[in-house]
Amino acid sequence: GENVEQHPSTLSVQEGDSAVIKCTYSDSASNYFPWYKQELGKRPQLIIDIRSNVGEKKDQRIAVTLNKTAKHFSLHITETQPEDSAVYFCAASIGNTGNQFYFGTGTSLTVIP
Amino acid sequence: GAVVSQHPSRVICKSGTSVKIECRSLDFQATTMFWYRQFPKQSLMLMATSNEGSKATYEQGVEKDKFLINHASLTLSTLTVTSAHPEDSSFYICSAGISNTGELFFGEGSRLTVL
Repeated sequence: GENVEQHPSTLSVQEGDSAVIKCTYSDSASNYFPWYKQELGKRPQLIIDIRSNVGEKKDQRIAVTLNKTAKHFSLHITETQPEDSAVYFCAASIGNTGNQFYFGTGTSLTVIP
Repeated sequence: GAVVSQHPSRVICKSGTSVKIECRSLDFQATTMFWYRQFPKQSLMLMATSNEGSKATYEQGVEKDKFLINHASLTLSTLTVTSAHPEDSSFYICSAGISNTGELFFGEGSRLTVL
């Protein structure tokens, strides 16, 4: 089955610095890679996603890159703010069907003011 | 975006009782919904896939008699934790997706505490 690895598990950055979270996957049929942000006790919220026909996508301070050959994708947050502090999960679709995903183990990001 | 609502958000029950959690897709129909369990500071663990009009598909290690799933309509799936015990205490989250886009939307989560 799919195996999604996520690193690092915890990350602390100074406000204004950049944060990078990396994920690798094993299923070459995966074609959709969303990233979720989860604040304590709340639901995961989709923050950005990328499909396998695209190498990079950017939305304001957030960007995601995908390397299909190497089977890894990364989340980049620039100019971090304290409100970016949360747990971030990457996910990879199980093949190219439906809405089933394998989730990464999560990265707890702390932005220090 | 699409909305998925989950109820109740918090429930406290005595050991041995059963608890039902509802997951509703409010503005779209979902033939498939997913149930997850999340321990503190850990990732989402897929428990089962709920299929409208048919039996749920459980992940390995998840007891189907313990966690009953019913998906009677295109907008509602329920998870019943039967004969709950303290080790069942956890954060349970459902999700549903729009199949033609692959996007997944999560419910608010339900925190179960079994005394």
